[in-house]
Amino acid sequence: GENVEQHPSTLSVQEGDSAVIKCTYSDSASNYFPWYKQELGKRPQLIIDIRSNVGEKKDQRIAVTLNKTAKHFSLHITETQPEDSAVYFCAASTFNKFYFGSGTKLNVKP
Amino acid sequence: EPEVTQTPSHQVTQMGQEVILRCVPISNHLYFYWYRQILGQKVEFLVSFYNNEISEKSEIFDDQFSVERPDGSNFTLKIRSTKLEDSAMYFCASSEGVGVYEQYFGPGTRLTVT
Repeated sequence: GENVEQHPSTLSVQEGDSAVIKCTYSDSASNYFPWYKQELGKRPQLIIDIRSNVGEKKDQRIAVTLNKTAKHFSLHITETQPEDSAVYFCAASTFNKFYFGSGTKLNVKP
Repeated sequence: EPEVTQTPSHQVTQMGQEVILRCVPISNHLYFYWYRQILGQKVEFLVSFYNNEISEKSEIFDDQFSVERPDGSNFTLKIRSTKLEDSAMYFCASSEGVGVYEQYFGPGTRLTVT
C-alpha cells in the first residue's frame, strides 16, 4: 500500500519567515494530495490541495508543489504569523483511500 | 456553511463492550469516511463508503469494525468488542465526489476504552 513520509516533525520559525514542509509518497497511482491544518483538540481542516495533473498551486500565503517523477510534494507558507502555529498533515489519495503523513508541528514565534 | 456533525463528543466504555459512533455527513455528499487518530499520532484511514457499501478499507478495519448508513442522514461506525488500543479520536468525513474532492471532517468522537 501507499506510504507517506513527512518531515520535519517539528519546525520552529520566526514570525514573518517562510516555512516548508515536505512529503514523499510511494504509490505512483496516487493522484490527489491535500494538506490539512489541525489545531490542538480540533478537526483537521483542508488548507490547500493539488491534483496530479498540476505542478504547483498557490492560495495567498500558502503554496503547494508536486513532483510526480520524484514522488514528493511540499507545502510552503510565506510571511508566517503566530496563528499559523498548528500541526500540518500531508496526505496522498489513490481513488478513495487516503494515507496521511505523520504530521509537522509548526511553531511560529512572535 | 454546512458541517459534518458527530455524536457523542466523548465516549467511555469498558473493554469488550460494543460502541456505535454516529455521524451526520453534509446532506448532498455521496462519499463518507471514518478515520482514527491515536493521541499525538497521525490520522489513519479506516474505511470509505459509497452507495451503501464499503468502497475501500485499510488493514486496521478488521472484523471488529462495521459501518452502516441506517437512514438517509446518519453514518455509523460500530466496534463490536472494544480493546484498550481502540482508544483514539474517531473522525468522520464526507465529500461530494470520489478521490480528488475535498473532504470535510467532523469534530470527532474521543473514545476511551478502560
